[in-house]
Amino acid sequence: AQKVTQAQTEISVVEKEDVTLDCVYETRDTTYYLFWYKQPPSGELVFLIRRNSFDEQNEISGRYSWNFQKSTSSFNFTITASQVVDSAVYFCALSGWGSNYKLTFGKGTLLTVNP
Amino acid sequence: DTAVSQTPKYLVTQMGNDKSIKCEQNLGHDTMYWYKQDSKKFLKIMFSYNNKELIINETVPNRFSPKSPDKAHLNLHINSLELGDSAVYFCASSQDGGLGTEAFFGQGTRLTVV
Repeated sequence: AQKVTQAQTEISVVEKEDVTLDCVYETRDTTYYLFWYKQPPSGELVFLIRRNSFDEQNEISGRYSWNFQKSTSSFNFTITASQVVDSAVYFCALSGWGSNYKLTFGKGTLLTVNP
Repeated sequence: DTAVSQTPKYLVTQMGNDKSIKCEQNLGHDTMYWYKQDSKKFLKIMFSYNNKELIINETVPNRFSPKSPDKAHLNLHINSLELGDSAVYFCASSQDGGLGTEAFFGQGTRLTVV
């Protein structure tokens, strides 16, 4: 069985603060992919990043960075110098070799960035 | 051009009614999905179709019947609606359902059963 845990239900920060969203996953698959999606207040789901289980290099995209650590089964997401527009629900998701054709989502973290 | 489009965006209906949600993707993808997001924002797969064939039916009640007339369309029909069906339903598509392909989501349909 696969499981994704986002222990932080809600996070509130002030603009320009850095914030890290945690994601811990469980899978028996040796080959799997991890994803982050953003759901802004308008409701759509926006794909942010995909990382496979064989690539533990950290990735940076502008103010966003991701830290993948297989040793702790974590795939954490950091927003540097947060902005009000970053306010959204962020979902971590997992797709394993034994579970093609679906994503298993965490329960999401609501990030509120206050001006 | 909207990649994955769902209609309607909002749907309010009475218990016991039958309703449909339509989904179309213009990305040329082989795989389409329906996900349900409950009031606590939890997202869960309902169905996956690959080249019009049902791949995943994740213990969804029989009142929910997906139909895929072609690769670009996946509609969801719900019979005898119940209060507990109130949720946001997301359609999605991916290049194929294989490992690692990211899914692109529609804007969601907020279904309210009264």
